[in-house]
Order: sequence, then C-alpha cells, then structure tokens
Amino acid sequence: EVQLLESGGGLVQPGGSLRLSCTSSGFTFSNNAVGWVRQAPGKGLEWVSGFSGTSNNTYYAESVKGRFTISRDNAKDTLYLQMSSLRADDTAKYYCARSHGHCGATSCFAHWGQGTLVTVSS
Amino acid sequence: EILLTQSPATLSLSPGERATLSCKASQSVSNYLAWYQQRPGQAPRLLIFDTSIRPTGIPARFSGSGSGTDFTLTISSLEPEDFAVYYCQQRINWPLTFGGGTNVEIK
Repeated sequence: EVQLLESGGGLVQPGGSLRLSCTSSGFTFSNNAVGWVRQAPGKGLEWVSGFSGTSNNTYYAESVKGRFTISRDNAKDTLYLQMSSLRADDTAKYYCARSHGHCGATSCFAHWGQGTLVTVSS
Repeated sequence: EILLTQSPATLSLSPGERATLSCKASQSVSNYLAWYQQRPGQAPRLLIFDTSIRPTGIPARFSGSGSGTDFTLTISSLEPEDFAVYYCQQRINWPLTFGGGTNVEIK
C-alpha cells in the first residue's frame, strides 16, 4: 500500500524560509511523477511543483517560480519542497502526491498525504 | 497556463438524484482531464483520469465524458457520502492546473 507522510510545516514570518519533507512507503520517489499541491484555507486546490515521471525535469507554478525548489533523495525515499521568500498568500495546507502510473510524464494524483500546514504571518 | 472553469459552483441535490458537473478548458486538453473528490477535512481522492477511466476501487456510479475543452462528471445516483467538493485537473501541459471546484450539497 502506498503511503505518504508530510512534515515540516509551521508558522514562519514573511520573507522567511521553510523546508517540507514527504516520506513514502510502498514505493520509491525515483522514476515516479510526484509533486506538491496546496490548498489555502477555505479555497481550492493549487498545483505547486512536480517531477516528471519520465525524467528528472522539475516544474513550478508561476506563483512560486524562483522561490520554491523541489528535490528528492532517492536513498531516503523522501521528497522535499524548499520554500523561501515566503508571503502571506503562501499560507496553505501542502500535500505531497504521487501520480497514477497510467498518467505518464505528467500527473494525475492517485496517492496523497494528509498534508502539512504552513502559516506565513508576522 | 490552461484555465479550467467549473460549473456550477454549487449544486444542491437530494440523495438518489443524478449529478452533472461541468469543466471547461481555455484550450484543448485532448482527453487529459482528471476529476477528484474532496470531503471535509480529507485529502482529495482521484475519481477519474484521462476523461473516463476509473481507478481501481472507484464506484461505477461515477463516470466521465468529453474531449477537447468540454468535460462532464456524472454521478448517476447520489449516495450520502458523495456530498463533497469536486475538482477537475488537466495534465496535458505544465503547469498542471485545477478548476475552482463544484460543491455538491444536500438539498
């Protein structure tokens, strides 16, 4: 069974940094399309960043490009999201998600963690 | 960036009724359109991918149709657990994008 567990969320001041982690069981992050999706309080889903399922290419939403960096440590089966220059509108629950195997290079997210809450406030 | 517009924003129905949800894309996404269900306090659940394919374990009352820019999710007969928010998502291009959601509520 595929399981994902996020950690690293918390309260951070505007302009600060935070690193989220996502550990997996039941699969490895390498060679899988995986990514981060966030949800601001009371709002809808927003895709943030992801790895292609067929290469090591990474992709970002315009809203986080240049501020967030996705990475993975295959030896530790861990996915990361390094967030810097945080703003109030980055406040959200951040989900780690893995694609259904059928969805190839891009992603349709069949497996989700329970999320970790990031609050950006002074 | 491909914009996905979902309608209606809220759908008020009774258990046993049929639900029809719409998702329109700002440009063609071919058949690369997925649907998710999100219940309060829970992570989203993948219901449909590539327009009409149900992952293992998704009940047959959920079906998807469409192509290009116009897509539909149909719930043939609403069960109590189906009252939730539904999102569409395209995967033809990066960045991936989600629609704004449709809240299916009990009438």
